[in-house]
Amino acid sequence: EIVLTQSPGTLSLSPGQRATIFCRTSASITRSSLAWYQQTPGQAPRLLIFSVSSRPTGIPARFFASGSGTDFTLTISRLEPEDFTVYFCQQYGSSPPTFGGGTRVEIK
Amino acid sequence: QDQLVQSGGEVKKSGASVKVSCKASGYMFIRYGINWVRQAPGQGLEWLGWVHPENDDTKYAQKFQGRITVTADKSTRTVYLDLSSLRSDDTAVYFCARDRVGVAGLWAYDVWGQGTVVSVSS
Repeated sequence: EIVLTQSPGTLSLSPGQRATIFCRTSASITRSSLAWYQQTPGQAPRLLIFSVSSRPTGIPARFFASGSGTDFTLTISRLEPEDFTVYFCQQYGSSPPTFGGGTRVEIK
Repeated sequence: QDQLVQSGGEVKKSGASVKVSCKASGYMFIRYGINWVRQAPGQGLEWLGWVHPENDDTKYAQKFQGRITVTADKSTRTVYLDLSSLRSDDTAVYFCARDRVGVAGLWAYDVWGQGTVVSVSS
């Protein structure tokens, strides 16, 4: 199975700053099948990005993502208070689908 | 709106089985696959399996083969996760999640259930 490694584990930033989260996969991702999710405590994950860089309807434009092959990035351009939570990447191009270990964005 | 509503929390003994339900509403049920994903306390996300309600096709993570069954009931728009031979490390929140695209395949998940806590004690 494909292993996803996220970095950093924790990101300490202030509101208004830019956050960059990395996701490295153990094998090249096919069909641009890389997603990002946001999860607040006690809630289900929410889909932020699919197909490497596409945002579902309703996701703010401050969330954008890029990457190819084995290296992918999620960027939050200017952190809002509600963005301080946990983010996961997922590959769904190969079975089984697998997730990264998560990155916590905390208030500095 | 499109929604998945899961059954309530469960407390089980080691060796027992658990059945968690996930009821869909607001969209064409037979069109979209449903996945089961779990999250152990303080941990990441782990995919368990998938069913497509149109033809009952299933896929399972190898780790759970032999003790997982995922089924879909078209008459009640409900998907079920059955996990047997429970161990303490099966303690987790179990989520159902819908494929984003209404074609059988591997997709991101755009609608999630609220989660069901399953606690397993010895």
